[in-house]
Amino acid sequence: GNSVTQMEGPVTLSEEAFLTINCTYTATGYPSLFWYVQYPGEGLQLLLKATKADDKGSNKGFEATYRKETTSFHLEKGSVQVSDSAVYFCALRNAGNNRKLIWGLGTSLAVNP
Amino acid sequence: NAGVTQTPKFQVLKTGQSMTLQCAQDMNHEYMSWYRQDPGMGLRLIHYSVGAGITDQGEVPNGYNVSRSTTEDFPLRLLSAAPSQTSVYFCASSRDLAGPYNEQFFGPGTRLTVL
Repeated sequence: GNSVTQMEGPVTLSEEAFLTINCTYTATGYPSLFWYVQYPGEGLQLLLKATKADDKGSNKGFEATYRKETTSFHLEKGSVQVSDSAVYFCALRNAGNNRKLIWGLGTSLAVNP
Repeated sequence: NAGVTQTPKFQVLKTGQSMTLQCAQDMNHEYMSWYRQDPGMGLRLIHYSVGAGITDQGEVPNGYNVSRSTTEDFPLRLLSAAPSQTSVYFCASSRDLAGPYNEQFFGPGTRLTVL
């Protein structure tokens, strides 16, 4: 079946450090891939997405590239800020009839000044 | 646009009580869903709807009912609350399930405690 696996957190970084949060997936066909972010006490909001292989999604300095050969969609940011402290969720939406969102368990990021 | 709104933000119930969590969206989205979020469990789909009058079960539907009489509203009913239903509940909507408009928009959540 379809699944999403994220690296376990929590991840703790110093301000201006490089961030990578790994996400790999299992799916049939060509799913759309998403990263959502949840700031403390808030709902989830879309951070970026990619709908086909080799697409790069980007937003707010974050990037992720849809790699079909490695079934991965790793989230990266070159220089994190304290305001990036949040929980990050990787998700896929399968192209099949089901089309439900399949979620990773989330990775908590804490950035220290 | 207000986006996706949820009420109440916080609620405390006693075991056995019933209540309805409200969700509304003003984006004319066809697809709406309810999730619960528990520590270490990520997001789990409770029920979803692909349009007015059409609902279906997700991963964890037991103890919850939904209806979709209008495009805008998608209330979630707890029939007889149990402590296991203590959670944060999120409503979400999306324009499409496929294509370039398939991302979900989330409400701010309802934090429910069942004593």
